[in-house]
Amino acid sequence: GQNIDQPTEMTATEGAIVQINCTYQTSGFNGLFWYQQHAGEAPTFLSYNVLDGLEEKGRFSSFLSRSKGYSYLLLKELQMKDSASYLCAVRDPGGGNKLTFGTGTQLKVEL
Amino acid sequence: GAVVSQHPSRVICKSGTSVKIECRSLDFQATTMFWYRQFPKQSLMLMATSNEGSKATYEQGVEKDKFLINHASLTLSTLTVTSAHPEDSSFYICSARSDGPSGVYNEQFFGPGTRLTVL
Repeated sequence: GQNIDQPTEMTATEGAIVQINCTYQTSGFNGLFWYQQHAGEAPTFLSYNVLDGLEEKGRFSSFLSRSKGYSYLLLKELQMKDSASYLCAVRDPGGGNKLTFGTGTQLKVEL
Repeated sequence: GAVVSQHPSRVICKSGTSVKIECRSLDFQATTMFWYRQFPKQSLMLMATSNEGSKATYEQGVEKDKFLINHASLTLSTLTVTSAHPEDSSFYICSARSDGPSGVYNEQFFGPGTRLTVL
């Protein structure tokens, strides 16, 4: 089966750094995505990892350890607009590009 | 580039009626599209994979006769919720995978979603 876990909620302060964890136990693996979703809107792509290590993209970085079934999304210099839900998704190894989403983490950025 | 639209964005209907939701890839072709359902404060749950020119593949527990999917062209997939009931009220989101070079990681591009409320 597919099991992808994330913390339900997190709160952080504007200007700070926050790390959102994702652990997965899936029957196959062909990459892990992080998406940002504001309430009532579509998810938007943030990052992608398929090999172990850190991928950096401006204020956002994502890390993957395939042996541990673990990823995290790191957000630096937090801004109020970063308040949103962050979704971790694992892609199936088949050619269909099917994604299984985690439970999602609601991040609240405070002053 | 890589824009996906959905129509309508919001619909309210009476119990027992059918509702059609359209998903269009505006600037790319997509042989494969996906339909998700999202309940409040929950994550996206894949309902089905829509394939142009062939039958959709439904996830376990999703009734194919209730959620009819038609992928008639490379830029359009439709989801029809038949005989809708209040428990079908949800946020329905589609996504598309580009057949071409759009998307460095072959990622899915998501539509803005459709909020369905069944009275």
